Amino acid sequence: GAGVSQSPSNKVTEKGKDVELRCDPISGHTALYWYRQRLGQGLEFLIYFQGNSAPDKSGLPSDRFSAERTGESVSTLTIQRTQQEDSAVYLCASSRYQETQYFGPGTRLLVL
Amino acid sequence: GESVGLHLPTLSVQEGDNSIINCAYSNSASDYFIWYKQESGKGPQFIIDIRSNMDKRQGQRVTVLLNKTVKHLSLQIAATQPGDSAVYFCADDTGRRALTFGSGTRLQVQP
Repeated sequence: GAGVSQSPSNKVTEKGKDVELRCDPISGHTALYWYRQRLGQGLEFLIYFQGNSAPDKSGLPSDRFSAERTGESVSTLTIQRTQQEDSAVYLCASSRYQETQYFGPGTRLLVL
Repeated sequence: GESVGLHLPTLSVQEGDNSIINCAYSNSASDYFIWYKQESGKGPQFIIDIRSNMDKRQGQRVTVLLNKTVKHLSLQIAATQPGDSAVYFCADDTGRRALTFGSGTRLQVQP
């Protein structure tokens, strides 16, 4: 079946611009996660959605980062006024409630 | 705070040899761990998991060992193949919410 998909696969932007990254989870997965992966490093948790519960935003690094999810479907991660240190791969994962997370291919963001 | 880390950043093995990738964790309350494989340009892929009521679990060519006494787990890959070349992460999924990842070990398989 279809896995987690993310778009765009690559994004180059200028410092100060806003960007939107999209994640389409696996159908039926109630949980959705966003992670950031800097070059050569592990994954940093950003935000977690579970069904209609309030999202866990404890990993967002600053108020320039926000995310939304409509029901149990698509999620968008928005980074406002991008900075060079925002350059990373942004990974989305989804899961059934309290089950294994499955990852998308990621969006590679480069801020010039 | 909680940390999950790896002992070696890069492991180079000959094709056909067995590989062992190690990982340490700090939270003694952790009870569920996952190993992921990440190939270049792709997202992490689930390999195998283990719960704290077990000390060993086997999959196809892979075995995970858990030593709760020293808070250490390892991933063993038998008869390593070129297709196994990737970065391997251990992750703590105790809270069933956000995974806590180590920094990763790059496995290089020499033909």
